[in-house]
Amino acid sequence: DAGVIQSPRHEVTEMGQEVTLRCKPISGHDYLFWYRQTMMRGLELLIYFNNNVPIDDSGMPEDRFSAKMPNASFSTLKIQPSEPRDSAVYFCASSPSGRRSYFGPGTRLTVT
Amino acid sequence: GQSLEQPSEVTAVEGAIVQINCTYQTSGFYGLSWYQQHDGGAPTFLSYNALDGLEETGRFSSFLSRSDSYGYLLLQELQMKDSASYFCAVRVGTDKLIFGTGTRLQVFP
Repeated sequence: DAGVIQSPRHEVTEMGQEVTLRCKPISGHDYLFWYRQTMMRGLELLIYFNNNVPIDDSGMPEDRFSAKMPNASFSTLKIQPSEPRDSAVYFCASSPSGRRSYFGPGTRLTVT
Repeated sequence: GQSLEQPSEVTAVEGAIVQINCTYQTSGFYGLSWYQQHDGGAPTFLSYNALDGLEETGRFSSFLSRSDSYGYLLLQELQMKDSASYFCAVRVGTDKLIFGTGTRLQVFP
């Protein structure tokens, strides 16, 4: 298997623009997680899905953030409008259960 | 709420043994995981403890004491490639993982 795939790997955008991050989980994994990592806040869980259904979005910072999982092989995390403080590395991870998560390579987002 | 504490940095020399501790306060605890992350890379799974005791995987071992809300990762025969950040993470409920702030391990020759 190719592992968790994320795109783009790097994104540079201007404040106010819409940003869409994409993730393809490992086939057969029922869980999908979106994390954000910064030096100040560490690795934060934003939202996770089970069988394409959002289970817990309590980590989503504010209404500017939204996530969807229209099918078992694709998920998006959207930020609209983006702000400089959203600059971070965003990881997608998938898991067949709660024991072990497989992380994608991450998307490094820079908002200027 | 949930909180995890681990040292921010640890240093050691090649061939040595190092222990990274993790204490946690959480509700709905299911287990403790450890992940390794090299600079610029993604976290990768190292171990998972659901029950008290020691789990050994090669040079790495992980320990859990549920009664003490404490665990540790033990790295033996340190190699330069072990220089990385190490995160403990608690499994809350059946499927939610909350990460600690990470311990940066530097291995010197």
